[in-house]
Amino acid sequence: AQSVTQPDIHITVSEGASLELRCNYSYGATPYLFWYVQSPGQGLQLLLKYFSGDTLVQGIKGFEAEFKRSQSSFNLRKPSVHWSDAAEYFCAVGPSNDYKLSFGAGTTVTVRA
Amino acid sequence: EAQVTQNPRYLITVTGKKLTVTCSQNMNHEYMSWYRQDPGLGLRQIYYSMNVEVTDKGDVPEGYKVSRKEKRNFPLILESPSPNQTSLYFCASSLSSGVKTQYFGPGTRLLVL
Repeated sequence: AQSVTQPDIHITVSEGASLELRCNYSYGATPYLFWYVQSPGQGLQLLLKYFSGDTLVQGIKGFEAEFKRSQSSFNLRKPSVHWSDAAEYFCAVGPSNDYKLSFGAGTTVTVRA
Repeated sequence: EAQVTQNPRYLITVTGKKLTVTCSQNMNHEYMSWYRQDPGLGLRQIYYSMNVEVTDKGDVPEGYKVSRKEKRNFPLILESPSPNQTSLYFCASSLSSGVKTQYFGPGTRLLVL
C-alpha cells in the first residue's frame, strides 16, 4: 500500500527566508509525486509534479522539488518566501498505472514579517 | 474557463436528512473523484470514477454513494448523514492518460448536526 508522511505539521518562516517542506513516501514501484497548495478557504492548486526524468522539478510560484529515490523523499523548496506563501501544503503520491492518489496530512506554513 | 465546480459550497444539515453535493467539470475529463479533508488527516479518497457508469470505492466509502450517468457530472450522495461526516469535501477530475494530474474544485464544507 502507498502512503505519504509529512513530518512537519507546522512551520513558521520569516519573509525572505528559505523554506523546505519534507515529504517521505512509501510505494513499491515508480510513483507519480505531486505537491499541492491550499490557501485559506480555497481549493487545492497543483504546484508541481514528478513522474520521470530530471529529479529536480520546477513548479509555479518559484517552488521546486527534488525526487530522491534512495531516501524515498520528494522535498519542496523555495529560496525566498513571500507573505502570500502562507498556506497549507500537501504532498501526494500515486501509481503510474492508476488514479489512486494518497495524500500526506499536510504542512501549514506561517510567514512572519 | 476550465474548472471543476461544486454546489453547495456550504451546507448545514441534521442527522439522517439525505443530501447531495454536486460536482461538474467542463474539461471533458474521464476520471473524477471525491475526497474528504479532515484536520491532521489530509485528504482521503471516498469514491472515484474512471468513466461514465464506472465507479469504485476509495479509502473511506462508508456512508456515501456516487453515480456517474454523464461524463461531466459526479454527484456525492449522503443517504443518512451522521455527525462524523462533518468535513470539507473536494471533487477532482483528470484525463485518463498521461500523468493524470487532478484538478480540484473549490470544496464544500458540510456540518451535520
